[in-house]
Amino acid sequence: DQQVKQNSPSLSVQEGRISILNCDYTNSMFDYFLWYKKYPAEGPTFLISISSIKDKNEDGRFTVFLNKSAKHLSLHIVPSQPGDSAVYFCAATFSGGYNKLIFGAGTRLAVHP
Amino acid sequence: NAGVMQNPRHLVRRRGQEARLRCSPMKGHSHVYWYRQLPEEGLKFMVYLQKENIIDESGMPKERFSAEFPKEGPSILRIQQVVRGDSAAYFCASSLDASSGANVLTFGAGSRLTVL
Repeated sequence: DQQVKQNSPSLSVQEGRISILNCDYTNSMFDYFLWYKKYPAEGPTFLISISSIKDKNEDGRFTVFLNKSAKHLSLHIVPSQPGDSAVYFCAATFSGGYNKLIFGAGTRLAVHP
Repeated sequence: NAGVMQNPRHLVRRRGQEARLRCSPMKGHSHVYWYRQLPEEGLKFMVYLQKENIIDESGMPKERFSAEFPKEGPSILRIQQVVRGDSAAYFCASSLDASSGANVLTFGAGSRLTVL
């Protein structure tokens, strides 16, 4: 039962352009959604999160959009930089408990000059 | 503060042997989580522990796997009688508390287990 899905295994973007990474979920009870970024041979690092009561959260070049009716969220990176090249994981969790994250399979982003 | 420390980074075992993976959480963090990542997949929750207590082990295989987080020392993920299907990257994460789903987990660099 895959509750969080990232249907694009990879994405290639030119430096300076916008990167849009997508994530779909099936469980309407999720309260928080998070994006983690992972470089090879390293652990995932937290990037940005959004509460289910919001539809947008912005942090510098990174913006996450949440569409609850469509059970869809997206991460926008503007402008994209070569250092953004990594695997991006979407994750979801519930409040009132603990940080048991449910991850998608990840999208590998390649930003080329 | 060196962050979440995992060792060994790489471990090779033959089928039937035991694997022990260690995790030292960030200073001040008393909540530890273990996740497993199989090739081409996302991270899958295994177990959540607080000091001396297993809070949720719903993601742990029923046999051969166990975890502990003693009062003193690191958290240990133990896999007995390893099989090839146990080959994966095992990530440990820690958090300051677990009162809200918005609390950010800090992950270690992972331990990659290869079973021959």
